[in-house]
Amino acid sequence: DTGVSQDPRHKITKRGQNVTFRCDPISEHNRLYWYRQTLGQGPEFLTYFQNEAQLEKSRLLSDRFSAERPKGSFSTLEIQRTEQGDSAMYLCASSLLGGGDSYEQYFGPGTRLTVT
Amino acid sequence: TQLLEQSPQFLSIQEGENLTVYCNSSSVFSSLQWYRQEPGEGPVLLVTVVTGGEVKKLKRLTFQFGDARKDSSLHITAAQPGDTGLYLCAGAVARGGSNYKLTFGKGTLLTVNP
Repeated sequence: DTGVSQDPRHKITKRGQNVTFRCDPISEHNRLYWYRQTLGQGPEFLTYFQNEAQLEKSRLLSDRFSAERPKGSFSTLEIQRTEQGDSAMYLCASSLLGGGDSYEQYFGPGTRLTVT
Repeated sequence: TQLLEQSPQFLSIQEGENLTVYCNSSSVFSSLQWYRQEPGEGPVLLVTVVTGGEVKKLKRLTFQFGDARKDSSLHITAAQPGDTGLYLCAGAVARGGSNYKLTFGKGTLLTVNP
């Protein structure tokens, strides 16, 4: 069983450019979460999906951010018109709703975004 | 807003010493997870505690969930350099019987010197 994977692992972009990140959850997991982590802080919740439905978005997720999970499998997170304040580690996690360990979220390695 | 406060924020100890990390909140959580994170990597789940007063052991690590499910502690016995990392606690509030978003503390950065 492979874990959560994220691509790319690192992204350097210039301010104003658009970027897109991909997350592949653990295969049988039906819930997928996106978090953002800045230096010296714990991860902060951005949004989550149950299957293909996006059930909640944090107020941290401005209208420049959009996330999709079109077939209930992988997910993408797009940031348009990036700003320097978007520089952070973007983490994806997945969990199995209804399983015995449904409390547990498993994280991917993250995508480190640097906006110059 | 649910907040989790971790203490201490930084901890530097010698190999073989014992240590305890605390995670406190004024909110009640349905479950609490402890993660360990290495630089440039995602958090790795260590344990989940669900029941108030629950104690779980993972080799030299002992995790306890407070009776009121508002706080937790992580105790490491005879720390080793391989224990070095950022320890994060995260609380979850279940809605409709299922896990929801995690609220994280800022973490405790542990350094174990040989």
